[in-house]
Amino acid sequence: GENVEQHPSTLSVQEGDSAVIKCTYSDSASNYFPWYKQELGKRPQLIIDIRSNVGEKKDQRIAVTLNKTAKHFSLHITETQPEDSAVYFCAALPGVPARQLTFGSGTQLTVLP
Amino acid sequence: NAGVTQTPKFRVLKTGQSMTLLCAQDMNHEYMYWYRQDPGMGLRLIHYSVGEGTTAKGEVPDGYNVSRLKKQNFLLGLESAAPSQTSVYFCASSYPGTALSDSPLHFGNGTRLTVT
Repeated sequence: GENVEQHPSTLSVQEGDSAVIKCTYSDSASNYFPWYKQELGKRPQLIIDIRSNVGEKKDQRIAVTLNKTAKHFSLHITETQPEDSAVYFCAALPGVPARQLTFGSGTQLTVLP
Repeated sequence: NAGVTQTPKFRVLKTGQSMTLLCAQDMNHEYMYWYRQDPGMGLRLIHYSVGEGTTAKGEVPDGYNVSRLKKQNFLLGLESAAPSQTSVYFCASSYPGTALSDSPLHFGNGTRLTVT
């Protein structure tokens, strides 16, 4: 089955700096890669996603890049703000057999004021 | 439109007791999932369902059973709770999607279960 590894497990940045979280996946047939943000005590919520036919996607301060050859994808947050502090999960959707997301282990991002 | 609703929000069980977690969604989603979340381990899939009357095992199914008698409801049962099942449980739902239009997961607020 699919295996998703996420790094780093914790990340602290100064407010205004950029943050980058990286994930690798094992199944070359995976074709959908979402990122979820989970604030303390709350549910995970989708913040951005990318499909295998696209190399990069941007939404305001958040961007995701995908390298299919190397089987890795990254989340980039620019101009970080204290409200960006949360746990971020990457995930990958294998092509077969059933469409079940496999999640990374999460990154605790702390934005220091 | 409430989205995905989980009950209860908190529960404490003694080892060997049983309980059922209820998940309800009002978005007419075909797919429903149960995940457990443990520190440093992300979200791991317990069981899932691709439609009414069907269920399948995920990554960590042992010790759990599920039922999907109605499209909008997905029940997770623990027949004999163990301390290793102490966790936060999340239900989620989605449309099936396709390779070009995958549907994101919509999560409930979670159930915090402690087994002593």
